[in-house]
Amino acid sequence: VRLVESGGGLVQPGGSLRLSCAASGFSVSSNYVTWVRQAPGKGLEWVSVIYAGGKTDYVDSVKGRFTISRDISKNTVYLQLTGLRHEDTSMYYCVRGGIFLYRGQGTLVTVSS
Amino acid sequence: EVVMTQSPATLSVSPGHRVTFSCRASQSVSNSLAWYQQKHGQVPRLLIYGASTRATGVPARFSGSGSGTEFTLTVTSLQSEDFAVYFCQQYDNWPFTFGQGTTLEIK
Repeated sequence: VRLVESGGGLVQPGGSLRLSCAASGFSVSSNYVTWVRQAPGKGLEWVSVIYAGGKTDYVDSVKGRFTISRDISKNTVYLQLTGLRHEDTSMYYCVRGGIFLYRGQGTLVTVSS
Repeated sequence: EVVMTQSPATLSVSPGHRVTFSCRASQSVSNSLAWYQQKHGQVPRLLIYGASTRATGVPARFSGSGSGTEFTLTVTSLQSEDFAVYFCQQYDNWPFTFGQGTTLEIK
């Protein structure tokens, strides 16, 4: 199992980014995949999930701003971040399932003017 | 949202001794409960999942038990490298949530 995130970077408040998570060793069409973030000095926070059947969900703090999706042909999951705020600054990890075991190395999102 | 409550906030224990961490869920999470260890500046390390299954490479002195709303993590014969912060996390109901953590310090 391998997950590789990309797409992070420095963005101004109100800006947008699209994070990608390329998976191998399992199929994103038959497993649920989550995005988890960790802000500097803070704990982990589960941000979004896309289930095997395609249903999605979000933590309240990002609802209406973040969108999770997937491309089964590429075995890749995406997280579109819009309306970014300073408090969204975090390392973002993509995770297979609901425990922090099979995860990528993370991609850093910094929201700053 | 399922609220996870850990107690106590801090434990002071001597090396070689046994320690038990407690975690309570505000509603049943079945056995969808994980324990993590985190040291300063590091990514959390998974210790236990499914309430009682040790992750690969975790020493046998770590054990988990419980189901529903009450869970415990026990560490026998504490080693110096075990002094860290321990978190529980439920993954039964979205959003998945963590407890606030228990700091294990050297007595």
